[in-house]
Amino acid sequence: DIQMTQSPSSLSASVGDRVTLTCQASQDIMKYLNWYQQKPGKAPKLLIHGVYNLEAGVPSRFSGSGSGTYFTFTITSLQPEDVATYYCQHYRELPLTFGGGTKVEI
Amino acid sequence: QVELRESGPGLVEPSQTLSLICSVSGDSISSGNHWWSWVRQSPGTGLEWIGYIYYDGRAGYKSSLKSRLTISVDPSRNQYSLRLTSMTAADTGVYYCARRFGSGVHTDWFDFWGQGVLVTVSS
Repeated sequence: DIQMTQSPSSLSASVGDRVTLTCQASQDIMKYLNWYQQKPGKAPKLLIHGVYNLEAGVPSRFSGSGSGTYFTFTITSLQPEDVATYYCQHYRELPLTFGGGTKVEI
Repeated sequence: QVELRESGPGLVEPSQTLSLICSVSGDSISSGNHWWSWVRQSPGTGLEWIGYIYYDGRAGYKSSLKSRLTISVDPSRNQYSLRLTSMTAADTGVYYCARRFGSGVHTDWFDFWGQGVLVTVSS
């Protein structure tokens, strides 16, 4: 199975800060990577598919980049409503696997 | 608006079988535009893809669960279900149903999710 490793596991930043999370795959997953946001007690919400494709309605302060085994997710100006845990997920092959998440706090 | 809703018991005894149903509204399983998935989440293993099914019954399972897992579909009811046998404490977690975006190759992102159901394995 492809292992997805996210770092850091948690971070604390200030409103307006630029925040960057990383996700590393244990093997080449090309551009088959998604990002989700999960708030406490809620289901994950899809933010980005295929590395950089923002879902409809998702604020443009969220972005993604990368390919192969190294990927980043950036919030350009952190807002209070962005407090959540963020997960990456590959879809290079089955089984689909998720990273362990990065918890973002203010 | 697409909505998914899980239903089933919140408590299962060890060695027993978990049965969950996902009811879909706002979309038709029989359209063939999507695969329909189960994902679970526990503190120990995080988010874990379990498997998915197509309207015609074709399914894909996580290999480590394959011997205990059955996912089935009822297009006439616009529902699909999960059956997991020989439950242990390691199967405790929140079970989500989720819609896989597409039906083609490399369209495996989950764009709509149910609210999740907490399943606890305990006697």
